[in-house]
Amino acid sequence: DADVTQTPRNRITKTGKRIMLECSQTKGHDRMYWYRQDPGLGLRLIYYSFDVKDINKGEISDGYSVSRQAQAKFSLSLESAIPNQTALYFCATSEPGTSGRSYNEQFFGPGTRLTVL
Amino acid sequence: GQQLNQSPQSMFIQEGEDVSMNCTSSSIFNTWLWYKQDPGEGPVLLIALYKAGELTSNGRLTAQFGITRKDSFLNISASIPSDVGIYFCAGPPTFMNYGGSQGNLIFGKGTKLSVKP
Repeated sequence: DADVTQTPRNRITKTGKRIMLECSQTKGHDRMYWYRQDPGLGLRLIYYSFDVKDINKGEISDGYSVSRQAQAKFSLSLESAIPNQTALYFCATSEPGTSGRSYNEQFFGPGTRLTVL
Repeated sequence: GQQLNQSPQSMFIQEGEDVSMNCTSSSIFNTWLWYKQDPGEGPVLLIALYKAGELTSNGRLTAQFGITRKDSFLNISASIPSDVGIYFCAGPPTFMNYGGSQGNLIFGKGTKLSVKP
């Protein structure tokens, strides 16, 4: 079974609709992230959470919100979807900061392809 | 903000060839990560580098952490068809651009490997 799962894998919606993308992980990691990928632009950070009570904005948070329902679950919402939010969305996890360096090593889910018409 | 510049943007490989790509920045990074993304999948971590000058291998892949801390190289020896995909470099921002917490990553825009027609 995959360590990081995302649902749905594909979604087509219309402008103005509210959309929720979900991410679950079985890695036991405290840190979770949401990224957006557009062709030729690499991955850009939307929001991140270092534990259930911690939510932080990333580089491109406008138009998005998140909820950390549990250590293992982190959802991303588009309150009113618009066409330029059409993209691939990835959830990732990493270990908490410790004396080691592993907190930099992020593990990604398979992605959700979102199309806003 | 800090940026990672990858080159080449794309390249074609013939089976058996060695491949080289690099990632540069105008700022110092203390960690370099190399990821590979297959079509329709999330990025997978290949190699993590934590020390300037460090040379690390993972099978046919070898990556180096530049001595200036402003660059990193990834080499693939004796390429095979399954090496095609997009290779990303990534690193945690040295200056706290994204909320002041460690563990966030900046990604380059990727080097796309394709098979020579």
